[in-house]
Amino acid sequence: DQQVKQNSPSLSVQEGRISILNCDYTNSMFDYFLWYKKYPAEGPTFLISISSIKDKNEDGRFTVFLNKSAKHLSLHIVPSQPGDSAVYFCAAISSGGSYIPTFGRGTSLIVHP
Amino acid sequence: SQTIHQWPATLVQPVGSPLSLECTVEGTSNPNLYWYRQAAGRGLQLLFYSVGIGQISSEVPQNLSASRPQDRQFILSSKKLLLSDSGFYLCAWQDEASTDTQYFGPGTRLTVL
Repeated sequence: DQQVKQNSPSLSVQEGRISILNCDYTNSMFDYFLWYKKYPAEGPTFLISISSIKDKNEDGRFTVFLNKSAKHLSLHIVPSQPGDSAVYFCAAISSGGSYIPTFGRGTSLIVHP
Repeated sequence: SQTIHQWPATLVQPVGSPLSLECTVEGTSNPNLYWYRQAAGRGLQLLFYSVGIGQISSEVPQNLSASRPQDRQFILSSKKLLLSDSGFYLCAWQDEASTDTQYFGPGTRLTVL
């Protein structure tokens, strides 16, 4: 049973528009969430995170929103650029547990020029 | 600053042959270490994690094993590879004192023929 779900395997967006990547989780013990970006044949790199005490965290073009009641988070990229084309993984951690992240299966974002 | 190394970058091995992938971390002490596999079309599957020398936890039963002979060295092994072992193998480290980010190595592309 997947505790972290990224239901959209792929997303196509035009350059300059907003990209919205979604992630849902089922475990109410998760209290820290991360987004990673992965290019082909490379390791994932950390992008942005959010603690459950917040509902929004912003870093440049990237903003993560957390809706705890819905157990949903989203990553917004504005404006999208072709270099943003990659696979994005959502991950969740329970700080009261083992600190091992649970990853979603990823969403492949393609930004068209 | 901390760095993580993996080698080899690519590997082609026949079915039934042994495997040894190595991961080393620099610039930190007593990190949590992880081995993941990303198979085609799937997310990041946690294989093993280690919180200290000689301490290995297995998440998925299979013909792979892991060892941590030194604080900052993590090795993934197999005595006999299967076709299904093909994939992209990622090593990651995490600060043992926090629920923070994992930092991934560049990965090893393993093809079993």
